[in-house]
Amino acid sequence: DADVTQTPRNRITKTGKRIMLECSQTKGHDRMYWYRQDPGLGLRLIYYSFDVKDINKGEISDGYSVSRQAQAKFSLSLESAIPNQTALYFCATSDPREEETQYFGPGTRLLVL
Amino acid sequence: GENVEQHPSTLSVQEGDSAVIKCTYSDSASNYFPWYKQELGKRPQLIIDIRSNVGEKKDQRIAVTLNKTAKHFSLHITETQPEDSAVYFCAASKSFQKLVFGTGTRLLVSP
Repeated sequence: DADVTQTPRNRITKTGKRIMLECSQTKGHDRMYWYRQDPGLGLRLIYYSFDVKDINKGEISDGYSVSRQAQAKFSLSLESAIPNQTALYFCATSDPREEETQYFGPGTRLLVL
Repeated sequence: GENVEQHPSTLSVQEGDSAVIKCTYSDSASNYFPWYKQELGKRPQLIIDIRSNVGEKKDQRIAVTLNKTAKHFSLHITETQPEDSAVYFCAASKSFQKLVFGTGTRLLVSP
C-alpha cells in the first residue's frame, strides 16, 4: 500500500546531541511537511517542501533544519537537541493535483533528556 | 499570518448526544477548512472539509458549517458513539497552501 513512513518511531537522546528524523513516502506526492505535536498546542508546522527544490520555514523552524533528498524523502534534523524539543513529530504529504488532503505518517516520539 | 482558535479543549458527552466543536480564523483570504481526527496513538486523518463557496457539508453523522462573515466554522457530530472518542483538529488555509491547525479538542463519548 502507498503510505507515509517515519523512522525511528521512538527516540531518546541527550541535550546537545544531533538527531535526524526521516520520512519516506510511496504516494508519489510532491509536497511534504514536518509538524510537531504538543499537548494543548495542536499541530505546528516546522518546515514544508512543495517540490524537491523547494524548502520553506514554518511557524516554529528555529532549532531545526530539513533536507529533501528526493521526491520520496524528507528529513528533519535537530542540530543540538534541547529538552523543550521533546514532542511527537509527524511527517505529512499532499498532492495538489488530486486534492488538498494531507496524509500523515505514524509519528516519531522524541524525548530529549 | 493566519491564526486558528479552537474551542472547547475538552468535551465530554453521553453516547447518543450531539457534539459541537467551534473554530475561528483570522485571515479573511482563507478558503479551505478541513477537520482531522486523531485516535489515541494514531496519526491524524481527514474526516471532512469545506470550501468557502459552501455554507454546509454533511457526511453521514458529521457535518461542518461555515460562516465567512464571522470567520468561524464548526464541526457537528450527531448520535455520538464511543468510537467517536478522539482528538479533533480544525485547520484553515488559502487553497493549496500550507494549513494552520487549531489546538485540538479532546472528545470523550461515554457509554
